[in-house]
Amino acid sequence: AQSVTQLDSQVPVFEEAPVELRCNYSSSVSVYLFWYVQYPNQGLQLLLKYLSGSTLVKGINGFEAEFNKSQTSFHLRKPSVHISDTAEYFCAVSLDTGRRALTFGSGTRLQVQP
Amino acid sequence: ETGVTQSPTHLIKTRGQQVTLRCSSQSGHNTVSWYQQALGQGPQFIFQYYREEENGRGNFPPRFSGLQFPNYSSELNVNALELDDSALYLCASRPTSGGRAGELFFGEGSRLTVL
Repeated sequence: AQSVTQLDSQVPVFEEAPVELRCNYSSSVSVYLFWYVQYPNQGLQLLLKYLSGSTLVKGINGFEAEFNKSQTSFHLRKPSVHISDTAEYFCAVSLDTGRRALTFGSGTRLQVQP
Repeated sequence: ETGVTQSPTHLIKTRGQQVTLRCSSQSGHNTVSWYQQALGQGPQFIFQYYREEENGRGNFPPRFSGLQFPNYSSELNVNALELDDSALYLCASRPTSGGRAGELFFGEGSRLTVL
């Protein structure tokens, strides 16, 4: 079975500063990786996904993530955050390109301060 | 706007009661999944339906059941409610063709409180 660990439950950061949200996964087989964002009182929205190819993946809203197979990590980064990026971020894995269930981490709360 | 709508948005039940949550997804989204998100946790997979048949289930007891209908709507039913069933229930649909095939589109959820 696969699992996801998000190492930080909360990340406070000042506006326009860079941020990295950490995600590590565990699986005995190859997995596909996703980052979702959940704004207050809303459902989840896909930020980006890694299925194959380049290990650096670019997503919406200026976010990017790098797949590191040797370290089993998929950290999310943004060079300059905005107040509007305040939200809960979830890393998730799947055994295929999305036809099967996603296994989510427990989430990281990004709090952007002015 | 994901095109996935859920109802009701909030509801309160007491232990032992039964609840039905509803979801309506976009035309062409033949797969629907339900997830349970407890407070402060990530979503957990309950089950998935494809063309009106269950084709995947997470670690949830049989009192959690579902239905999917030909008009791209679906239901999640929970019998004999327990306090630990209090959570946000998310419906997610998935198109099977087109440029975003395989991507999950989530609704805003139904928040269930069990007293």
